[in-house]
Amino acid sequence: GAVVSQHPSWVICKSGTSVKIECRSLDFQATTMFWYRQFPKQSLMLMATSNEGSKATYEQGVEKDKFLINHASLTLSTLTVTSAHPEDSSFYICSARDGTRYNIQYFGAGTRLSVL
Amino acid sequence: GENVEQHPSTLSVQEGDSAVIKCTYSDSASNYFPWYKQELGKGPQLIIDIRSNVGEKKDQRIAVTLNKTAKHFSLHITETQPEDSAVYFCAAPTSYGGSQGNLIFGKGTKLSVKP
Repeated sequence: GAVVSQHPSWVICKSGTSVKIECRSLDFQATTMFWYRQFPKQSLMLMATSNEGSKATYEQGVEKDKFLINHASLTLSTLTVTSAHPEDSSFYICSARDGTRYNIQYFGAGTRLSVL
Repeated sequence: GENVEQHPSTLSVQEGDSAVIKCTYSDSASNYFPWYKQELGKGPQLIIDIRSNVGEKKDQRIAVTLNKTAKHFSLHITETQPEDSAVYFCAAPTSYGGSQGNLIFGKGTKLSVKP
């Protein structure tokens, strides 16, 4: 299957700092990428949908100024958690949709964010 | 909008037995149904999917069946092995103007295969 690379896999930061997470589609061009948040033992919660070259669409309740998303190219999307606080600690997962393969959605390995 | 219900939430089977996980969806326009396997601390991995023009699809020990009339689809794992232990998610797309939208996920099923 197609590969989606997500980095870093694990990050620890101090409260008040910003953290950037990268998501890359390695062998296909992804016109659409998604960012999810997952709490322990729960399902994936969609945070936002990003289309290359345009502003991201955020789900209700997700602060767009808190979670900055950039999708500058067909293979790269970034999520920046700004002024992180302990309540932002979570597992963040990106996903990319392959428009050439029936819109199949592939996921990255996830990023574990711990804010101290 | 789409609503996906998944059952059971936990499933424990003996190695070699079969496991079945069921999902229902609400949007009759949905036409693509993937299943993902998520191991602890990792991202979901697509294991099989089915489109609405077929009723069943099989890949070695894994199969998915789709009943569009009843709006439900199921994952079948035969001859289960300990490495099949994971959380499995079903999903269905929202549909906007006929094109595929975001995937809506079920709440997941934690499968435990006992050796």
